[in-house]
Amino acid sequence: DAGVIQSPRHEVTEMGQEVTLRCKPISGHDYLFWYRQTMMRGLELLIYFNNNVPIDDSGMPEDRFSAKMPNASFSTLKIQPSEPRDSAVYFCASSLRGSGSAGELFFGEGSRLTVL
Amino acid sequence: GNSVTQMEGPVTLSEEAFLTINCTYTATGYPSLFWYVQYPGEGLQLLLKATKADDKGSNKGFEATYRKETTSFHLEKGSVQVSDSAVYFCALTRVGNQFYFGTGTSLTVIP
Repeated sequence: DAGVIQSPRHEVTEMGQEVTLRCKPISGHDYLFWYRQTMMRGLELLIYFNNNVPIDDSGMPEDRFSAKMPNASFSTLKIQPSEPRDSAVYFCASSLRGSGSAGELFFGEGSRLTVL
Repeated sequence: GNSVTQMEGPVTLSEEAFLTINCTYTATGYPSLFWYVQYPGEGLQLLLKATKADDKGSNKGFEATYRKETTSFHLEKGSVQVSDSAVYFCALTRVGNQFYFGTGTSLTVIP
């Protein structure tokens, strides 16, 4: 079975450019999470969706970051304009939780972003 | 609120040594508890979980017991191998809620 699929795996861009990261969750999962991981700050939750609806975006650093989930099989995280401090590994994760189930998270392999 | 506190690393052990990584939590209600493992260059993957008090999760020789009285979920392995070198994350969640992760503990096992 296909897991969570993220693209691109690696992205190198210059400061000021727009970056779009993509995620395809596991089919049938109803929750989708975006995380950012850095050495300094560890694993940070940016935003999560339930049934394509954003539930909590309080972790999104600033207005330069936006996330969408137009349908159950696709989500994007966009950074515009990008800055060097955005360099990190961005993970997408999905979960089947339904009602009454805590579920478990399935992570993608991550998108490593380097902003020069 | 909900939070997870886990043992600071890094941890370095010799092969076949005993491993304990401490994890304590704060949560309202009755959370589910998890240990995730991250190998270099990869995403996190579930190692084991426990969904209610006194449950023991186990996988690949690792074990952790959900202790409600001490709000703990310590990870143990009797004999570590070089291939266990990774970063280990303790986490909790509740129904309809986000996942709360600890800061991660880096483990290096030397031959």
